[in-house]
Amino acid sequence: DQQVKQNSPSLSVQEGRISILNCDYTNSMFDYFLWYKKYPAEGPTFLISISSIKDKNEDGRFTVFLNKSAKHLSLHIVPSQPGDSAVYFCAASTGKLIFGQGTTLQVKP
Amino acid sequence: DAGVIQSPRHEVTEMGQEVTLRCKPISGHDYLFWYRQTMMRGLELLIYFNNNVPIDDSGMPEDRFSAKMPNASFSTLKIQPSEPRDSAVYFCASSFNAGQGYTFGSGTRLTVV
Repeated sequence: DQQVKQNSPSLSVQEGRISILNCDYTNSMFDYFLWYKKYPAEGPTFLISISSIKDKNEDGRFTVFLNKSAKHLSLHIVPSQPGDSAVYFCAASTGKLIFGQGTTLQVKP
Repeated sequence: DAGVIQSPRHEVTEMGQEVTLRCKPISGHDYLFWYRQTMMRGLELLIYFNNNVPIDDSGMPEDRFSAKMPNASFSTLKIQPSEPRDSAVYFCASSFNAGQGYTFGSGTRLTVV
């Protein structure tokens, strides 16, 4: 049973526009949420995180939003750049990290 | 620090053969995790260790899979016998904390033919 779900396998946006990646979870006990970014032939790298006691965290072009009532997490990238093209994994923590399936983002020049 | 080091980077083996994947975590990290990446399920946690002791192996798919951590600087994931459905990318990660701050290795791409 998938506790963390990323229902969009892929997303394509134009350079300079906003990218919105979504993630849903089922376990209300998750206390920390993270986004990881993965380039081909490399391991995932940490991007941004948010505690369950907050609803927004911003770091430069990246903002993560948490809606606990909807059990929904989203990552906004503004403005999107071609170098942002990668696979993005949502993860949730309750003592260990549970990852989603990933969303492949393509930013077109 | 060179980060988390995994070997080999690629492994092609025949069905029925034994496969051993290796991982060297970052020095000082108390936690070590083995994940498997597939298209359908994304990154699945197979097993994790704390201070070399296996804590949770509920993600290990079946008895053909085993993992060991004989010391703080080395871990292995073994598949015996291997099957084509085991083909995937296997990642090792380490951290100071069980729920945050994971550093991943570059992965081992396993192909079982």
